[in-house]
Amino acid sequence: NAGVMQNPRHLVRRRGQEARLRCSPMKGHSHVYWYRQLPEEGLKFMVYLQKENIIDESGMPKERFSAEFPKEGPSILRIQQVVRGDSAAYFCASSPLIAGATYEQYFGPGTRLTVT
Amino acid sequence: DQQVKQNSPSLSVQEGRISILNCDYTNSMFDYFLWYKKYPAEGPTFLISISSIKDKNEDGRFTVFLNKSAKHLSLHIVPSQPGDSAVYFCAANAGGTSYGKLTFGQGTILTVHP
Repeated sequence: NAGVMQNPRHLVRRRGQEARLRCSPMKGHSHVYWYRQLPEEGLKFMVYLQKENIIDESGMPKERFSAEFPKEGPSILRIQQVVRGDSAAYFCASSPLIAGATYEQYFGPGTRLTVT
Repeated sequence: DQQVKQNSPSLSVQEGRISILNCDYTNSMFDYFLWYKKYPAEGPTFLISISSIKDKNEDGRFTVFLNKSAKHLSLHIVPSQPGDSAVYFCAANAGGTSYGKLTFGQGTILTVHP
């Protein structure tokens, strides 16, 4: 049973370019979450999606960042016009349909974005 | 506004001894707590969790204790093994409309010496 998959694992972009990060949840999971980890910090929540719906985007920067989880295919985190401050590790997590009050999320290996 | 705090950046323990990792929180709406372990260049791995209706949860070598009145939780690892060396994050969830959002601490680097 494959875990959460993210690609690419490493992404280098020049300032002003676009970055697209992909996440395929675990089989049977319909909830996807994106987190960002800046150097020497903990993970910070960005957005929570279900298929074709954004449920909570309270952690997303107001500009340049967007996320989607289409009916078919992986979830995409898109960063337009990247700046050096966007350099970070971006983690995707997934969880199954709610079954009882548990909140475990299962994480992918992350995409390390470097903006030069 | 750091709602989940891990005040010890690092902890060093001898193999076979107990490791105790601590976590404090400020948001009284948090009702579910989790511990994750993270190796370099990998994603966090879920270890153990506890609901606010309990004060202890055990899974093998790992035990999590929750003191709601003190807004404090701890992870005990007994006995510690060199393979436990990693960064440990505590995380909390407030449920309700914040269901999908985990709030993480800054992490504690655990080193277990042979």
